[in-house]
Amino acid sequence: GAVVSQHPSWVICKSGTSVKIECRSLDFQATTMFWYRQFPKQSLMLMATSNEGSKATYEQGVEKDKFLINHASLTLSTLTVTSAHPEDSSFYICSAREQAGAAYEQYFGPGTRLTVT
Amino acid sequence: AQTVTQSQPEMSVQEAETVTLSCTYDTSENNYYLFWYKQPPSRQMILVIRQEAYKQQNATENRFSVNFQKAAKSFSLKISDSQLGDTAMYFCAFMFHGGATNKLIFGTGTLLAVQP
Repeated sequence: GAVVSQHPSWVICKSGTSVKIECRSLDFQATTMFWYRQFPKQSLMLMATSNEGSKATYEQGVEKDKFLINHASLTLSTLTVTSAHPEDSSFYICSAREQAGAAYEQYFGPGTRLTVT
Repeated sequence: AQTVTQSQPEMSVQEAETVTLSCTYDTSENNYYLFWYKQPPSRQMILVIRQEAYKQQNATENRFSVNFQKAAKSFSLKISDSQLGDTAMYFCAFMFHGGATNKLIFGTGTLLAVQP
C-alpha cells in the first residue's frame, strides 16, 4: 500500500516556541491531506483539511492562526504549531488521499508526539 | 450531522476465540462508506475493512468480517480466530460519499485485548 511519513516522530519544545511537523506521501501524489489530533486513549479529532495549492479548511474550534497548515506540493504538507503551550501537547497524525473522492483510500502517517514543556 | 457511536470502551477475548465489536451511526445520507480502523500500540492507523453503503453484501477480509445493517444503521466487526496481534484500539468510521472533501468521522473507539 501507499506510504505516508511524518517527521519528526517525537518533538519536545519549550513553551512559547513554534514547531513544524512534516507529512509526506512517499509513493503517490496527494491531492488532499488531513491533520488530526489525538489525546491519550481518545479518538482522532480532525483539525483541518488541505488541498494542494489551496488554503486549508479548519474544523470548528481549531485556531487557524495557531495551527498553520501549508500544502505547497502534492507530496508535502506541514503543520506549524505557533507559540506552543503545554496544552498543545498531543499526538498529531496526518493522512493523505490521492484524489478528493471518497472512493480513494486515505493513508495515515505514523504520527508525531509533541511535548511542550 | 453524522455521528458514530461505539458503546464498548473495552473488550477482552481469549486467543483463537471470536469477538464482535459494535458500531452504530446516524446519518440522513444514502450514499456513504463505513470503515473499521485498527490502531495498535505503535499508534499507526491501519485500515481493517471497508463497506460501501450501496452494497448489500457484507465485506470480508480474511478473519475480519462485518455485519452491515443499513436500516438499523449498524456496522459491527467480527474478528474470528483472534490473535495476540489483534490487540489494539479499533475505530469505526463514516465517510459521506459526495461533497468536496469527504471527511472521515470516527467513533470513540473500542480497546480490544486478546488474552493468551
